[in-house]
Amino acid sequence: GQQLNQSPQSMFIQEGEDVSMNCTSSSIFNTWLWYKQDPGEGPVLLIALYKAGELTSNGRLTAQFGITRKDSFLNISASIPSDVGIYFCTPGGSEKLVFGKGTKLTVNP
Amino acid sequence: GAVVSQHPSRVICKSGTSVKIECRSLDFQATTMFWYRQFPKQSLMLMATSNEGSKATYEQGVEKDKFLINHASLTLSTLTVTSAHPEDSSFYICSASRDANTEAFFGQGTRLTVV
Repeated sequence: GQQLNQSPQSMFIQEGEDVSMNCTSSSIFNTWLWYKQDPGEGPVLLIALYKAGELTSNGRLTAQFGITRKDSFLNISASIPSDVGIYFCTPGGSEKLVFGKGTKLTVNP
Repeated sequence: GAVVSQHPSRVICKSGTSVKIECRSLDFQATTMFWYRQFPKQSLMLMATSNEGSKATYEQGVEKDKFLINHASLTLSTLTVTSAHPEDSSFYICSASRDANTEAFFGQGTRLTVV
């Protein structure tokens, strides 16, 4: 079956630092989605990637779809306290989403 | 954007009772809705796919007689946890999308505590 690995599992950073996290899969996909989940809330879509090699930005967030279509990374620049939460990746392309285990981000003021 | 609303956001019930959770797409029609369960410090695990006008499709290991899903209209799906036990305590989240080619929007989740 499909294996989805997300790393790191957790990160503790200082406000203002940049952050990078990634997802890898054993399968090839046509879409990668990155979601953020605040404590006690449902996930919110941050960035959607639809083409291999695609680099997309959303404010301080940048995500790239790997050339092999088996991986993706998400960067957050100049982190702020409200970036705290859990970031999930999921290969999209169908309604049925399978989520990685998430990267829990803690930002110290 | 698209808005998906869940109700209630929190519920506490006694063991053996049933609890109904509603998921509504407020500004779009969703042919398909999904129900997820999330235990503390874990990822979202898909429980079932809810299709309007037909029976839900359950993931392996999810008891369909315990987690009753009804998708009565294009904007409403309900999940009923029957004969709830403390181990059913979890965060239940629904999602909905307009079609297979668009992203899914998530509800805010329902925190179920069974005492």
